[in-house]
Amino acid sequence: GAGVSQSPSNKVTEKGKDVELRCDPISGHTALYWYRQRLGQGLEFLIYFQGNSAPDKSGLPSDRFSAERTGESVSTLTIQRTQQEDSAVYLCASSYDIGAYGYTFGSGTRLTVV
Amino acid sequence: GENVEQHPSTLSVQEGDSAVIKCTYSDSASNYFPWYKQELGKGPQLIIDIRSNVGEKKDQRIAVTLNKTAKHFSLHITETQPEDSAVYFCAQEDVRGGGADGLTFGKGTHLIIQP
Repeated sequence: GAGVSQSPSNKVTEKGKDVELRCDPISGHTALYWYRQRLGQGLEFLIYFQGNSAPDKSGLPSDRFSAERTGESVSTLTIQRTQQEDSAVYLCASSYDIGAYGYTFGSGTRLTVV
Repeated sequence: GENVEQHPSTLSVQEGDSAVIKCTYSDSASNYFPWYKQELGKGPQLIIDIRSNVGEKKDQRIAVTLNKTAKHFSLHITETQPEDSAVYFCAQEDVRGGGADGLTFGKGTHLIIQP
């Protein structure tokens, strides 16, 4: 597609439930990133994928967070046993390659845990 | 690890005046410095970037300057317009590492253009 597509755009879930967020990167972009943005805050790096290499999971805040990507296509970010502090906008970005190519961000998924 | 400080957190300027946002970084190996604009309800959008072998880059009303010795870089917007109102984020990356940690972002500046 023309841009990075994320779904759902909004998600309200009960504390303790699992959620799955989806990201469709720009076709041909080998690198894909997930960020978390809390209200009024900057962007917190979570994880990135580059081609078929093992992902860099160094930014994931806890073992409740996991992400997968099949090849150079869709990625899903899963949060298990959601907590209220997980409430945030989850942004996905893709780039042509890692490093210095600039990222194209999706519009994000606003997650609210009640 | 990398750290990026961004100032001010909020900036209000009269329409037509200039706006300057400044960022400092700690990692001397950083060599890529993009700026993003985020409008309400949208993802950040890349507006300009600069690499470490360049001191200044301009694109119409937007310019970025980089001082590697002092480890700071700035965004300059001239002749500001209402549509410039948004949150602006600076970022940096050490691309030699293959972007392994992604971009490190500043905390953002809320730019308000007063009519």
